[in-house]
Amino acid sequence: IQLTQSPSSLSASVGDRVIITCRASQGISSYLAWYQQKPGKGPKLLIYAASTLQSGVPSRFSGSGSGTDFTLTISSLQPEDFATYYCQQVDSYPRAFGQGTKVEIK
Amino acid sequence: QVQLVESGGGVVQPGRSPRLSCAASGFPFSSYGMNWVRQAPGKGLEWVAVISSDGSNKYYADSVKGRFTISRDNSKNTLFLQMNSLRAEDTAVYYCAKDLGVGSTPLGYWGQGTLVTVSS
Repeated sequence: IQLTQSPSSLSASVGDRVIITCRASQGISSYLAWYQQKPGKGPKLLIYAASTLQSGVPSRFSGSGSGTDFTLTISSLQPEDFATYYCQQVDSYPRAFGQGTKVEIK
Repeated sequence: QVQLVESGGGVVQPGRSPRLSCAASGFPFSSYGMNWVRQAPGKGLEWVAVISSDGSNKYYADSVKGRFTISRDNSKNTLFLQMNSLRAEDTAVYYCAKDLGVGSTPLGYWGQGTLVTVSS
């Protein structure tokens, strides 16, 4: 299963609504997770089962989708949200990641 | 709290066989599947391997199958990655990561990673 994220990068301002999409090459039900990674750090789980917020993650993050098309939405971008975001399918092995979306400051 | 601390990285010559370790604490290690994920410099994440909680099931990425072996010692709360026949393209930061739950579960917690540089 391959995952294709778009866009690969974006520039946005604090307060903007940001949407990142992830498309799977075949149906994966809701077996999709989203991670945030900041430079020099290990990734952090944000959302799993396509739409379930991991404990401690701010409610401005949300996920949706099922089957092959998924989205991660940040409702109001905050300074600490500038990072790279990855989707991962957990339906089957190998557990592929998307190529990442870098969110930069405009 | 959950802590995962990787070690064993460094500069390694092509063809050598280092072993990475991941010391786990803050959770019942023997109850969770564990993974290795790598990230080449400036690149994205690549899932490498997973081992079930009791060590009986293992899966690998095609890129490392037959060269890398994942294992664990539940008595010592430690995960391992034996890396054989290393190539330049294996240069990466290697992260260990804990399954969040059981079954089709994401990676709930990650270490800070250990850098392996394959170079002569």
